[in-house]
Amino acid sequence: DTGVSQDPRHKITKRGQNVTFRCDPISEHNRLYWYRQTLGQGPEFLTYFQNEAQLEKSRLLSDRFSAERPKGSFSTLEIQRTEQGDSAMYLCASSWDLNTEAFFGQGTRLTVV
Amino acid sequence: AQTVTQSQPEMSVQEAETVTLSCTYDTSESDYYLFWYKQPPSRQMILVIRQEAYKQQNATENRFSVNFQKAAKSFSLKISDSQLGDAAMYFCAYRSAQGAQKLVFGQGTRLTINP
Repeated sequence: DTGVSQDPRHKITKRGQNVTFRCDPISEHNRLYWYRQTLGQGPEFLTYFQNEAQLEKSRLLSDRFSAERPKGSFSTLEIQRTEQGDSAMYLCASSWDLNTEAFFGQGTRLTVV
Repeated sequence: AQTVTQSQPEMSVQEAETVTLSCTYDTSESDYYLFWYKQPPSRQMILVIRQEAYKQQNATENRFSVNFQKAAKSFSLKISDSQLGDAAMYFCAYRSAQGAQKLVFGQGTRLTINP
């Protein structure tokens, strides 16, 4: 197992286009998190899955954002009608259970032009 | 809501010297965890050290140690014998012991190691 994997690493898109990112957590990790990190800031929580259930969403997650985790394995984060303000690093993290360490992927850097 | 504040945007230290990064947090919870994460340029976030709030003893991991002052809501990171590979962004983070256990991060401190 090579850790949390995110794809793509970089994405440049035109304003108004839809984009989708993928996260593959560490095998058997049942908790999966998405965070957004803008330049010079700490990551901010977006959403959380326990297995396939999306249990918490931040107010940062507008209705243009949707996340899924079918079958409790990989997860996708889709942004519809992208805006320049969506430009950021999108980080995925996974953990095994309560009170265990979260492992991060290398992130997907989105640039909206 | 919980907040985490890192008041030092940038710090620098001479190689082999000791540096301390500051962090304060605000919470009304009694049961929580605190972390320091390291984010090297273009690389993933990795955990440096963690502290359980119910433990009075400060956590240590090799050259890294913390000064946890629960009453003052302060959680500083001390790096001893600084090495060039320690250069990175360092983030202090809070995590509740309940619920989603999402991480709440500070703004980060960029640490530069001078050879």
